[in-house]
Amino acid sequence: DAGVIQSPRHEVTEMGQEVTLRCKPISGHDYLFWYRQTMMRGLELLIYFNNNVPIDDSGMPEDRFSAKMPNASFSTLKIQPSEPRDSAVYFCASSSRLNSGNTIYFGEGSWLTVV
Amino acid sequence: KNEVEQSPQNLTAQEGEFITINCSYSVGISALHWLQQHPGGGIVSLFMLSSGKKKHGRLIATINIQEKHSSLHITASHPRDSAVYICAVLTGRRALTFGSGTRLQVQP
Repeated sequence: DAGVIQSPRHEVTEMGQEVTLRCKPISGHDYLFWYRQTMMRGLELLIYFNNNVPIDDSGMPEDRFSAKMPNASFSTLKIQPSEPRDSAVYFCASSSRLNSGNTIYFGEGSWLTVV
Repeated sequence: KNEVEQSPQNLTAQEGEFITINCSYSVGISALHWLQQHPGGGIVSLFMLSSGKKKHGRLIATINIQEKHSSLHITASHPRDSAVYICAVLTGRRALTFGSGTRLQVQP
């Protein structure tokens, strides 16, 4: 399996622009997670889906952030409009089940810089 | 107070040394992960524990549920072990909650 695939790997955009990050989870995994990593706050959960349904989006910082999972093999995280404080690494991860005994697999991250 | 606390924050060791990284948490959990993040940024899950002890090569992870504490040990450390090690707990409420990480540097 190719693992969790994220795109783009790197993006530099201007403040106010829309940013779309994409994720393809491992086939057969029912859970998909979006995390954000910054120097100040470390790793934080933004949102996670189970069977394409958002379960917990309490980590989404504000209305500028939205996430969708239209099918089992694709998810997007959108920021509109983007701000410099959104600069971070955004990780997508997937897992077959959300309990003990199941490993979580991370993508390589999308490095976002908003100038 | 953070729900997940790691110590130390930074650790420098000489090649061959035995290393211990600690994680304490304050919430009820169903499992605990130890993650490794290399300088390139990729994150790999090393262990998932709900009780007892697990071993993989030179890495050993233990957890004491009653004391809400876990340790990651590295035996015969090597420069390639240099990375950030992150403890993360799985709760029903928030999926994964992360510690701030321990930055390990193993010098030859």
